[in-house]
Amino acid sequence: ETGVTQSPTHLIKTRGQQVTLRCSSQSGHNTVSWYQQALGQGPQFIFQYYREEENGRGNFPPRFSGLQFPNYSSELNVNALELDDSALYLCASSFTGGSGYEQYFGPGTRLTVT
Amino acid sequence: AQKVTQAQTEISVVEKEDVTLDCVYETRDTTYYLFWYKQPPSGELVFLIRRNSFDEQNEISGRYSWNFQKSTSSFNFTITASQVVDSAVYFCALSEARSGYSTLTFGKGTMLLVSP
Repeated sequence: ETGVTQSPTHLIKTRGQQVTLRCSSQSGHNTVSWYQQALGQGPQFIFQYYREEENGRGNFPPRFSGLQFPNYSSELNVNALELDDSALYLCASSFTGGSGYEQYFGPGTRLTVT
Repeated sequence: AQKVTQAQTEISVVEKEDVTLDCVYETRDTTYYLFWYKQPPSGELVFLIRRNSFDEQNEISGRYSWNFQKSTSSFNFTITASQVVDSAVYFCALSEARSGYSTLTFGKGTMLLVSP
C-alpha cells in the first residue's frame, strides 16, 4: 500500500510570487484535505477535495485554491504569497463513503516566503 | 464552534516514566470523532487512534492507552514506561461530519521530551 506523498519537500519563494504544491493520495483513498501548520501551532484546515470538487473550506482567502485529479492526486496553489504563508503544508488522504474518518498525512512541504 | 485544548505545551520526563497528555474538547454535535496524532521532528503526522462519540471504552495498545470521558469532554493519552523514541509533538484532534464532509480541528499540541 502506497502512502501519501508530497512534493516538493522544501520551497523558498518571494513575497508576491505564486506556488504550487502537490500531493498523491494513499491508494484506495478518494478524498484529499490540505492543512497549514505554522511554527508551534496545530494544523489548520484549508480545504478538502472529493470527486474533483472542493467540498469544504476553512477560513482561508480565495488566493488559496486547489485541484483534484481523476487519480485523486491534488494540488494546492497559493497566489500573491505573503510572509505569513510561511508554514508546513500538510496533505491528508482519506476515504469518503466508508465508516471511518481517519486522515493519513503526508510528510509535508515546508514553504518559506521571504 | 468546535475547539480542542491541549493545556500542556511541553512535558519533560526521564525514560521509563509514565506520562499523560491531556486533551479537552468542545463541540455541539452529538456525533463526532476524536483522534491522537504523533508528529516526530520529520514533520509527518502519524495516526495513533480514532474514537467515536458513542464509544467510551478505554483502549490500550501496547504502552499506549487512552481515556475518553464524555462527562468531562476529555480524551487523555497515557504512555507507560516512556522511551526516547516517544519524543515528539502529540496532537489531539476532533472531527465532526458536517454538510457531507469531515475535517479535523487540532489542538496546539504537546511537545514530549523523553531523556535517557
